[in-house]
Amino acid sequence: SQQGEEDPQALSIQEGENATMNCSYKTSINNLQWYRQNSGRGLVHLILIRSNEREKHSGRLRVTLDTSKKSSSLLITASRAADTASYFCATDGLPSSGDKLTFGTGTRLAVRP
Amino acid sequence: EPEVTQTPSHQVTQMGQEVILRCVPISNHLYFYWYRQILGQKVEFLVSFYNNEISEKSEIFDDQFSVERPDGSNFTLKIRSTKLEDSAMYFCASTDRRGASTDTQYFGPGTRLTVL
Repeated sequence: SQQGEEDPQALSIQEGENATMNCSYKTSINNLQWYRQNSGRGLVHLILIRSNEREKHSGRLRVTLDTSKKSSSLLITASRAADTASYFCATDGLPSSGDKLTFGTGTRLAVRP
Repeated sequence: EPEVTQTPSHQVTQMGQEVILRCVPISNHLYFYWYRQILGQKVEFLVSFYNNEISEKSEIFDDQFSVERPDGSNFTLKIRSTKLEDSAMYFCASTDRRGASTDTQYFGPGTRLTVL
């Protein structure tokens, strides 16, 4: 798989349920970031987790990072219809590798009212 | 809250024409980037820019592309002779990178480029 692969590719849940999206990557990272993109719109930054962190919270979002497995998960609790969007993980390499972001393929989340 | 802005939101051009996409990064940021997203595909890195020069560029960023910071606020991407395959959403991003909490790259709303 490529750097930054999310699964599932698509997820449909009922409002109020939790949504979990996973991201795997191949090379060592400095940071991992999650972004949201509404259809055809810009990328909204959600949360950044550093390689030395294991878990981070922001409101209804919880992100975990397992560098030994090269994977991260994004949990959205108590989902709302407004959470319907595509979610991408993006990694940047070690400082010596530059800071460009490598994006995953994304998970399309649909929250049914 | 400060944000990255981009103009125009949508640009339609004929193949072979030159286009300039404009971005105004967040004012105290020092590092600037262009990415693109072809419809239905991943967001791809094009180029990073710091201290008035290119830091890194991808294979996509060939001689047809150039970037410039013409003044203290604007950051532009020029495509000299557009091709059909340049049709994509182009995103500008900026970051501060001066401390532990400032590695976040903030993205603009994008410019949708359509090459006919």
